[in-house]
Amino acid sequence: GAVVSQHPSRVICKSGTSVKIECRSLDFQATTMFWYRQFPKQSLMLMATSNEGSKATYEQGVEKDKFLINHASLTLSTLTVTSAHPEDSSFYICSAIPGTGSYEQYFGPGTRLTVT
Amino acid sequence: RKEVEQDPGPFNVPEGATVAFNCTYSNSASQSFFWYRQDCRKEPKLLMSVYSSGNEDGRFTAQLNRASQYISLLIRDSKLSDSATYLCVPQIFGNEKLTFGTGTRLTIIP
Repeated sequence: GAVVSQHPSRVICKSGTSVKIECRSLDFQATTMFWYRQFPKQSLMLMATSNEGSKATYEQGVEKDKFLINHASLTLSTLTVTSAHPEDSSFYICSAIPGTGSYEQYFGPGTRLTVT
Repeated sequence: RKEVEQDPGPFNVPEGATVAFNCTYSNSASQSFFWYRQDCRKEPKLLMSVYSSGNEDGRFTAQLNRASQYISLLIRDSKLSDSATYLCVPQIFGNEKLTFGTGTRLTIIP
């Protein structure tokens, strides 16, 4: 149990376009989902916390107008990178917490974004 | 001071050997601790959770020293499949957020 999927697994887009990444909890309802970004040889950096039905909470330095997060249901959160630039190329990973009182995070397989 | 500090390595260790990593954390409010492993271009996977002084699971032992604010991970009888980056992750009680260290790169040599 506790499987999280992400789609797409990798995407290449042109500079200036927008890309949407989906994060789904397949066998549980996720009250909270997190979005991380990881650059090569660096650690996972939390971008935002997404709660179903409410606005996402962004970490300091993360532009909320550039990284749009929508958590419309208990099994789906989306991250849209708007007007992507080459410096946005990174590995984006989501995680989800079941609403069972546990804080254990279950990670999706990640999405590798390359902006050309 | 960084919230989580780890020796980045790389640690190149012969198969069958014992290896240990240390991790220090700065926030004394951290109550739970996790070791994740991450393979190249993959998501992190939970290896061990530490809530008290330590935890042991097969070849893996984690020890926590709250006074000195560090946790360690010991891997015995290392195997080729142990090659990965090991991430130290403290968590503050009641806070859902995780703060990841930069990780320690381990390569097991045949």
